[in-house]
Amino acid sequence: GAGVSQSPSNKVTEKGKDVELRCDPISGHTALYWYRQSLGQGLEFLIYFQGNSAPDKSGLPSDRFSAERTGGSVSTLTIQRTQQEDSAVYLCASSPRTGNEKLFFGSGTQLSVL
Amino acid sequence: TQLLEQSPQFLSIQEGENLTVYCNSSSVFSSLQWYRQEPGEGPVLLVTVVTGGEVKKLKRLTFQFGDARKDSSLHITAAQPGDTGLYLCAGGRNAGKSTFGDGTTLTVKP
Repeated sequence: GAGVSQSPSNKVTEKGKDVELRCDPISGHTALYWYRQSLGQGLEFLIYFQGNSAPDKSGLPSDRFSAERTGGSVSTLTIQRTQQEDSAVYLCASSPRTGNEKLFFGSGTQLSVL
Repeated sequence: TQLLEQSPQFLSIQEGENLTVYCNSSSVFSSLQWYRQEPGEGPVLLVTVVTGGEVKKLKRLTFQFGDARKDSSLHITAAQPGDTGLYLCAGGRNAGKSTFGDGTTLTVKP
């Protein structure tokens, strides 16, 4: 596609439920990032995929968070047993290659945990 | 952890005024990016600077990378309401994830 696509754009869930957030990066981009953003704040790094290398998971806040990237393309961020503090915008970005840190962002998924 | 500190955190000005926002770190970066984010959207890349002392201009926006590649500034001349948004700087390294600052929220009033 022309840009990074994220779905759903909005997700409302109940505390304790699991959610899956999807990211379709720009075709051919080898690097993929997930960030979390609270209202009016900066970006909190979650996880980084680069080609076939082991992902950098150093930003995941707890073991309830996990992410996969299948076939070097689509990525899914899963949050298990959601908590109210997980409410935020989850942003995905892709980049053509490592060392070229020009990130192209999707519009994000607004997650609300009630 | 390499931190990027942005200042000011909030800035509210009248249309036509000039402003400068700053991005500072104690770490050296191979490149630094500036993004603008509008409500409900993801950040959009404005510019990348890679050389110490580099100055880039984008219409009314002037970006400068510090000589030591640890800091950067963004200057806007004659701000317009369309400049309103969250301005984020991000530091890149030769390999690995970008580090983002917490941003400057700019409001330009008509």
